[in-house]
Amino acid sequence: AQKVTQAQTEISVVEKEDVTLDCVYETRDTTYYLFWYKQPPSGELVFLIRRNSFDEQNEISGRYSWNFQKSTSSFNFTITASQVVDSAVYFCALSETLLGANSKLTFGKGITLSVRP
Amino acid sequence: AAGVIQSPRHLIKEKRETATLKCYPIPRHDTVYWYQQGPGQDPQFLISFYEKMQSDKGSIPDRFSAQQFSDYHSELNMSSLELGDSALYFCASSLWGGWPHSEQFFGPGTRLTVL
Repeated sequence: AQKVTQAQTEISVVEKEDVTLDCVYETRDTTYYLFWYKQPPSGELVFLIRRNSFDEQNEISGRYSWNFQKSTSSFNFTITASQVVDSAVYFCALSETLLGANSKLTFGKGITLSVRP
Repeated sequence: AAGVIQSPRHLIKEKRETATLKCYPIPRHDTVYWYQQGPGQDPQFLISFYEKMQSDKGSIPDRFSAQQFSDYHSELNMSSLELGDSALYFCASSLWGGWPHSEQFFGPGTRLTVL
């Protein structure tokens, strides 16, 4: 069975600090997708990134960067120069394949990030 | 661009009542997923449909049922509501297909409160 572990539950930083959110996953599939979602207080799930199991290239998007390492089954997310608007719950998620297509998402427990002015 | 539509956005019910949540996927998307997120919890997969057939099933209570219609919209029917059913219910849609897989696009959610 697939599993996503986000060991950090709450992180509090001061604005402009860098912060890394950890994600470790378990799966028996060789083909899978990893995701990060942001959930602000308003409740919607905001898609941040999708990475497939064959693409270990790190990715940078503005202040966000992701480090995918299959050797350690980790998909960590770093926010550089954090801002108050980054305060939210962040979920890491895993999707395996079902009948050759995308299957359900399994989410981690989420990390509550608070960025103080 | 059109997004996933969920209605209603908020719903208040009494214990033992029934509720129906609706989901309208992105046009041309043929797969719908339902997730339940309790307070302070992560979203949990309930059920999914592809081309009007159930494609996968998670921890959905027997009191709940769902279906996908010919226009691909989906409805989640919840009966004998319990206090513990109070949650945010997300619907997501995607295109069923091969590699590279289509991502799931989430709707804004329906917040159900059971009193």
